[in-house]
Amino acid sequence: AQSVTQPDIHITVSEGASLELRCNYSYGATPYLFWYVQSPGQGLQLLLKYFSGDTLVQGIKGFEAEFKRSQSSFNLRKPSVHWSDAAEYFCAVGAQNTGNQFYFGTGTSLTVIP
Amino acid sequence: GAVVSQHPSRVICKSGTSVKIECRSLDFQATTMFWYRQFPKQSLMLMATSNEGSKATYEQGVEKDKFLINHASLTLSTLTVTSAHPEDSSFYICSAEGRGGGYTFGSGTRLTVV
Repeated sequence: AQSVTQPDIHITVSEGASLELRCNYSYGATPYLFWYVQSPGQGLQLLLKYFSGDTLVQGIKGFEAEFKRSQSSFNLRKPSVHWSDAAEYFCAVGAQNTGNQFYFGTGTSLTVIP
Repeated sequence: GAVVSQHPSRVICKSGTSVKIECRSLDFQATTMFWYRQFPKQSLMLMATSNEGSKATYEQGVEKDKFLINHASLTLSTLTVTSAHPEDSSFYICSAEGRGGGYTFGSGTRLTVV
């Protein structure tokens, strides 16, 4: 069965500190992996995605993620967090041969302190 | 880039009435639309998948007679919550897949049933 796990419900970091948000997945097919950000009361914005190729993916707003097949992980990182990064982050997995359905993790809420 | 317009952003309705939510792909043709709902502090849950011109495929546990989905054109999909009840209050969000395989989310609709 497909599933996505984000072990950290809530993370607090200081502005300027580095950030890593964890994501583990279980998927029967070759996965497409995504990270989305949701600001309060807003819709989802795609940060980055991995389909194939280079396992280190660069996204918008200075985010990157690394696909590690052996660990079934797709962790999101940012070297220096800004206060505007405070939001909810969702990891998602999908695959073309499943009707392109997405399965989302439960999200990680990020708080940035000055 | 690809834009999906979702309307309304917020709606309050009386219990027993119906509410229609629209998603329009503004600058691309959406071959497939996905509808999600999100309860407070929870992740997005896929409700249904619709392809233009055909019946929607509903996820297990989603009442197809209550959540009517229409995808009559390549740029418009609608979700109608029929006979709404307070427990239907949630955040509903659509996602559209274009021909090139990219996915774009709408900004979401906050439904409150009183």
